[in-house]
Amino acid sequence: EAGVTQFPSHSVIEKGQTVTLRCDPISGHDNLYWYRRVMGKEIKFLLHFVKESKQDESGMPNNRFLAERTGGTYSTLKVQPAELEDSGVYFCASSQDGWRGEQYFGPGTRLTVT
Amino acid sequence: KNEVEQSPQNLTAQEGEFITINCSYSVGISALHWLQQHPGGGIVSLFMLSSGKKKHGRLIATINIQEKHSSLHITASHPRDSAVYICAVRADSNYQLIWGAGTKLIIKP
Repeated sequence: EAGVTQFPSHSVIEKGQTVTLRCDPISGHDNLYWYRRVMGKEIKFLLHFVKESKQDESGMPNNRFLAERTGGTYSTLKVQPAELEDSGVYFCASSQDGWRGEQYFGPGTRLTVT
Repeated sequence: KNEVEQSPQNLTAQEGEFITINCSYSVGISALHWLQQHPGGGIVSLFMLSSGKKKHGRLIATINIQEKHSSLHITASHPRDSAVYICAVRADSNYQLIWGAGTKLIIKP
């Protein structure tokens, strides 16, 4: 069974540009989470999808971040326009049983904004 | 002050040593996770526990709910155990995961 995959593994963009990160959860997992670790800080929760619906997006830092999960399968996280402080590693995770279930993490996307 | 504190931040030990990493938290929780992040970056869940103790191979995790404290132990440590070990708690107020800063462990041969 394939694990959680993320694309790209690394993205380098200039300030002001747009970047779209993709996460493919484990097949059959309705719950999908986005997290990020910015330099020197702890990993922080961004949002939680249940199927295609946003269950909790309280961790999204501002309106430059847009997450979608059309069809309840893969999810995208778009940053537009990117700022220097958005640099970090963006992790995606999926689970079968919501918050009660074990979360399976993807390898992360390292975003560098210059 | 973060709601989840780990100690130590960095730990270097010799192969074979018994390793203990601590996690203290200040919020009410429904579960605590221990995760491992290797230099390549991927995160792997090691344990999810809400009481008592769990063991998997050379890894042991314990939690004391009253004291709001958990420990991760590694017996007979090996260089391949070198990684960042992260404690994360699931808050019972909103079910989000709150993450510690991680403990960077280096095991020397």
